[in-house]
Amino acid sequence: GENVEQHPSTLSVQEGDSAVIKCTYSDSASNYFPWYKQELGKRPQLIIDIRSNVGEKKDQRIAVTLNKTAKHFSLHITETQPEDSAVYFCAANTGTASKLTFGTGTRLQVTL
Amino acid sequence: EPEVTQTPSHQVTQMGQEVILRCVPISNHLYFYWYRQILGQKVEFLVSFYNNEISEKSEIFDDQFSVERPDGSNFTLKIRSTKLEDSAMYFCASGVDRVAFFGQGTRLTVV
Repeated sequence: GENVEQHPSTLSVQEGDSAVIKCTYSDSASNYFPWYKQELGKRPQLIIDIRSNVGEKKDQRIAVTLNKTAKHFSLHITETQPEDSAVYFCAANTGTASKLTFGTGTRLQVTL
Repeated sequence: EPEVTQTPSHQVTQMGQEVILRCVPISNHLYFYWYRQILGQKVEFLVSFYNNEISEKSEIFDDQFSVERPDGSNFTLKIRSTKLEDSAMYFCASGVDRVAFFGQGTRLTVV
């Protein structure tokens, strides 16, 4: 089955700096890659996603890149703000009704 | 904006008891899921449900677990005889075209 690895496990950046979180996946059939933000005690919230027919997608300060050949995808957050502090999970999906396989999460801390 | 809603938000139960976790998916979604998250760990898939039947389940989803869509709006997860290791946050999700939206979760504590 699919295995998703995520790095780093913790990331501390100063406000205004950029943050990059990387994930690799094992199943070449995976074709949908969402990113979720989870604040303490709350639900995972979808922040951006990318499908395998696209190499990059951007939404304001957030961008995701996908390298299908290398089987890795990354989340980029620019101009970080304190409210970006949360745990971020990447995930991979192989089919319309099939499960999401999650990475182990990255705890992002944005300091003033 | 429509949301997936779950009840109860917190459930405490004695080991061996049955629990039912309830979810109301987003109304036009066709795919329904249960995930769980043990404190401090990643989100793990339990089961997916489509067209009134289970489409996929994980190794965690053994005979103690069952899901049901009793009417047009609710989606439930039943654990027949809870164990201590079932303590976790249980998230319901619903989706369309593989985009999944999560509920706020039910924290299950088995004592």
